[in-house]
Amino acid sequence: DTAVSQTPKYLVTQMGNDKSIKCEQNLGHDTMYWYKQDSKKFLKIMFSYNNKELIINETVPNRFSPKSPDKAHLNLHINSLELGDSAVYFCASSQDGTGKGETQYFGPGTRLLVL
Amino acid sequence: AQSVTQLGSHVSVSEGALVLLRCNYSSSVPPYLFWYVQYPNQGLQLLLKYTSAATLVKGINGFEAEFKKSETSFHLTKPSAHMSDAAEYFCAVSEDDMRFGAGTRLTVKP
Repeated sequence: DTAVSQTPKYLVTQMGNDKSIKCEQNLGHDTMYWYKQDSKKFLKIMFSYNNKELIINETVPNRFSPKSPDKAHLNLHINSLELGDSAVYFCASSQDGTGKGETQYFGPGTRLLVL
Repeated sequence: AQSVTQLGSHVSVSEGALVLLRCNYSSSVPPYLFWYVQYPNQGLQLLLKYTSAATLVKGINGFEAEFKKSETSFHLTKPSAHMSDAAEYFCAVSEDDMRFGAGTRLTVKP
């Protein structure tokens, strides 16, 4: 059973389009995350979210918005895609999001290419 | 503020040789430290983590890491490299959130 899953695995789209990436975790965790990994493999936190609080990295453009229909899902919606949005996006989850010493479990990633 | 620095963006070893991947941390409180591995076209997988229980931490696939407070280091080692160890390795520190290093790509030569 896949603990954290993402769809689609690959996404190729045109500049200006709006797209969503879905994430689901079956671990019963309270907190989910979105990370962006650039072409140099650098990982940057974009959002962390539990049913109480959304924490946004202030450097993330407001074209990016997380949407959580329930505790097991955190989707990433991107408006007006730009070339610089091309990257690999990882979803992750952790037990309760306290941060200290918590292991985060990662999905397989979504490879987004904006043309 | 917490951060980690991985020394060496690329490490190459021969099969059977010692693997040493370096990580130094900066944290205002006793840190929680992690090593994750990313195989090609896959997500990150936890190798091991330090949570102050023991300074020498054993992980999966024969990897281990030693926490050295005096050196603010948490280097990852494996006595004998396998071809299957070729991957990107990330050190991370967790205080309020998790901060990753820039990654070290490990290449294993036959």
